[in-house]
Amino acid sequence: GQSLEQPSEVTAVEGAIVQINCTYQTSGFYGLSWYQQHDGGAPTFLSYNGLDGLEETGRFSSFLSRSDSYGYLLLQELQMKDSASYFCAVRDSNYQLIWGAGTKLIIKP
Amino acid sequence: EAGVVQSPRYKIIEKKQPVAFWCNPISGHNTLYWYLQNLGQGPELLIRYENEEAVDDSQLPKDRFSAERLKGVDSTLKIQPAELGDSAVYLCASSLGVGAFAVDEQFFGPGTRLTVL
Repeated sequence: GQSLEQPSEVTAVEGAIVQINCTYQTSGFYGLSWYQQHDGGAPTFLSYNGLDGLEETGRFSSFLSRSDSYGYLLLQELQMKDSASYFCAVRDSNYQLIWGAGTKLIIKP
Repeated sequence: EAGVVQSPRYKIIEKKQPVAFWCNPISGHNTLYWYLQNLGQGPELLIRYENEEAVDDSQLPKDRFSAERLKGVDSTLKIQPAELGDSAVYLCASSLGVGAFAVDEQFFGPGTRLTVL
């Protein structure tokens, strides 16, 4: 079967750095995406990794290692507004996005 | 540019009643998705359209769920009859490109929160 594993909850302090890991097992792989979802809101796209390495977008970075079927999202200079759920998603051989269950990020002042 | 539009935002019905959701994707987006999301879980794909063709509906409970995307633009998702377990948020999303050329960035609408009593 296809699965994505990510921690259910992560807690960090405002201003700190946090890393959210994602491991995947899918039939085919065309890329790893990250989405952010605030409570009551819709998912919004954060980043995409199609090749190994680090992609940086402002305070957010995303990393992929295809050989390890592993990626992570790195959030720097955490702000209270970053409190949300973060989902990793993998595009499989049917070009369908398979979603993880999400990581709830709790930020304390 | 307008985002993905969904209606209604909230719907409360009694079990065994029918319900329909409507989605208008971003102009020019070929691919349209309907997802179901339960509290504390990730979105689960129900059906994916490339233009007007349903290319992936393997997760759609076809005994009670149906969907259509006429003219490859707007789409409706229907449940008849609704069951208690259908209570969830129904999300519509759209993206550019199709198949291997699909862009991974999906744009989501605000969702319809369905409560079945």
